[in-house]
Amino acid sequence: EVQLVESGGGLVQPGRSLRLSCTASGFTFDDYAMHWVRQAPGKGLEWVSSISWNSDSIDYADSVKGRFTISRDNTKNSLHLQMNSLRSEDTALYYCAKDLLGSGNTNWFDPWGQGTLVTVSS
Amino acid sequence: QSALTQPASVSGSPGQSITISCTGTNTYVGSSNLVSWYQQRPGKRPSLLIYEVTKRPSGVPIRFSGSKSGNTASLTISGLQAEDEANYYCSSYLHGVIFGGGTKLTVL
Repeated sequence: EVQLVESGGGLVQPGRSLRLSCTASGFTFDDYAMHWVRQAPGKGLEWVSSISWNSDSIDYADSVKGRFTISRDNTKNSLHLQMNSLRSEDTALYYCAKDLLGSGNTNWFDPWGQGTLVTVSS
Repeated sequence: QSALTQPASVSGSPGQSITISCTGTNTYVGSSNLVSWYQQRPGKRPSLLIYEVTKRPSGVPIRFSGSKSGNTASLTISGLQAEDEANYYCSSYLHGVIFGGGTKLTVL
């Protein structure tokens, strides 16, 4: 069974940094692109970032470009999101998600983790 | 404001069929096969329902179907069940993934 477990969320002051992690199991991690998607409280879904299986291709939403860095460690089946210069509008539940197919990056997300909550507030 | 427009809410009675629309530009919907749909039940993580406009991942019931006409993609749920009450999001891709604003389905 595919499992994705996010960690690293918490309360952080504006301007500070936080690093999220996602530990994967139940599939061959380095065969799949991976993604981060967030959801502000009571709001819809917002794609944040994607990374190919070998980290050669990385994309970011304009809202986080230059502040967030996605990375992965295929030896540890882990995905990370380094978030710097955090803003109140970054407050959200952050989900990691596996790409649906193991052939390139389809940008279809299946499955999703349970999410980790990031709250940016003074 | 998302480039994909969904109705804020739809409703239906058990056993009925409902359709949720997702209207975008030609780039995001009309000439794209990258449209997908997600279901998010209250308090739960999203799950993929439809990908590549019409395909269902394994395990998704056949009463969920996707289609497209022009710049509008649609999700149809046949034989509505109480457990279908959820938020539904369409999604597409062009220089990044975009989601529609979401549609709340109420089963009466």
